[in-house]
Amino acid sequence: AQSVTQLDSHVSVSEGTPVLLRCNYSSSYSPSLFWYVQHPNKGLQLLLKYTSAATLVKGINGFEAEFKKSETSFHLTKPSAHMSDAAEYFCVVSGLVGGGNKLTFGTGTQLKVEL
Amino acid sequence: EAQVTQNPRYLITVTGKKLTVTCSQNMNHEYMSWYRQDPGLGLRQIYYSMNVEVTDKGDVPEGYKVSRKEKRNFPLILESPSPNQTSLYFCASSTPGERGYTFGSGTRLTVV
Repeated sequence: AQSVTQLDSHVSVSEGTPVLLRCNYSSSYSPSLFWYVQHPNKGLQLLLKYTSAATLVKGINGFEAEFKKSETSFHLTKPSAHMSDAAEYFCVVSGLVGGGNKLTFGTGTQLKVEL
Repeated sequence: EAQVTQNPRYLITVTGKKLTVTCSQNMNHEYMSWYRQDPGLGLRQIYYSMNVEVTDKGDVPEGYKVSRKEKRNFPLILESPSPNQTSLYFCASSTPGERGYTFGSGTRLTVV
């Protein structure tokens, strides 16, 4: 079985300050992990993915995430928030379930960026 | 351009009127899947397909049907829609060597 817990449903930061979105996962095997972003009334865009190579993963728009197996965490960070980062972010674990490639989503973190 | 195409983007229908949401991908992917997104719940898998004529239930399959007669198409069928199926639906596709999925733009369904 696999699961994902996003620890904060809402995060609010000021423009120019760091962003931290927290994610813990559970998986029976070596998982692949992803962060997706969804802007209002838009589809899902892949930010970055971890697939058992380097544990520090760099994504688009200055985001990065670090895979920590001992802590079963995959937190998303960005050094300096921009107004355009305001969106909903989903942490996702991927694994082979029932012979198929299944994604399990967290419940999402809404990021608000204030002036 | 590699993409997953869903139609329609928006749909309002009445309770009990059968509808189909189409999904097509042009990447020759084996895996295809349907998800629904509801506030506070993230995305939940409805059905998935590992290849032509091979489909299986996801986490929330009740009230839905799917078919996979061709590799590129994976329609979602609601035989008798109910208001609790009002949601945002996403189709996605993948290939065994790629653990991530490519998502369609979504279909916002309202059942009144």
